[in-house]
Amino acid sequence: GAGVSQTPSNKVTEKGKYVELRCDPISGHTALYWYRQSLGQGPEFLIYFQGTGAADDSGLPNDRFFAVRPEGSVSTLKIQRTERGDSAVYLCASKLSGLGTEAFFGQGTRLTVV
Amino acid sequence: DQQVKQNSPSLSVQEGRISILNCDYTNSMFDYFLWYKKYPAEGPTFLISISSIKDKNEDGRFTVFLNKSAKHLSLHIVPSQPGDSAVYFCAASAGFGQGAQKLVFGQGTRLTINP
Repeated sequence: GAGVSQTPSNKVTEKGKYVELRCDPISGHTALYWYRQSLGQGPEFLIYFQGTGAADDSGLPNDRFFAVRPEGSVSTLKIQRTERGDSAVYLCASKLSGLGTEAFFGQGTRLTVV
Repeated sequence: DQQVKQNSPSLSVQEGRISILNCDYTNSMFDYFLWYKKYPAEGPTFLISISSIKDKNEDGRFTVFLNKSAKHLSLHIVPSQPGDSAVYFCAASAGFGQGAQKLVFGQGTRLTINP
């Protein structure tokens, strides 16, 4: 597809369960970002990949959160032992590396922990 | 610590008039600023950007102004159209010359254009 694709679009899970959220970036984009948006707030940075490696994971809130991008394309955000406070929209964005390039966002995955 | 602030949660403007959305930042290391527009159930869409070497950037009906001394930027939309009704996010990054960098977002301003 032409844009960033995220699956699933909605996920409801029980407290304590494990979830995986998937992001398919735009083809050829080497930089990939995960953000989390809570109700009434702007997106908050979680992690940034340049190629296969996590270049900056300073936004991950704790060790229950982990993300991978093994082949430098698709990325998966993994959340263990989910808590109700993890409920949010998780946004993925990709961009070409380089000066003045803009990030393109997917539609997000709405995660609800009950 | 909110490094990027949009102090107006909402704004209502008459169709055809000018919409002005404001954003303040605290981190003097920020050197690249962007505005994103977001419709319900969609991801943010890039609108316009400005680097710190400029004080104005214009693209059609959209103009962004940057006042570095005041650490303030604004987005002007003129004339405003009903399709402009959306949530607008201001975002900033540091290290424009170093390639891909994370964005720090404001809380957003919901703009409503009334017919």
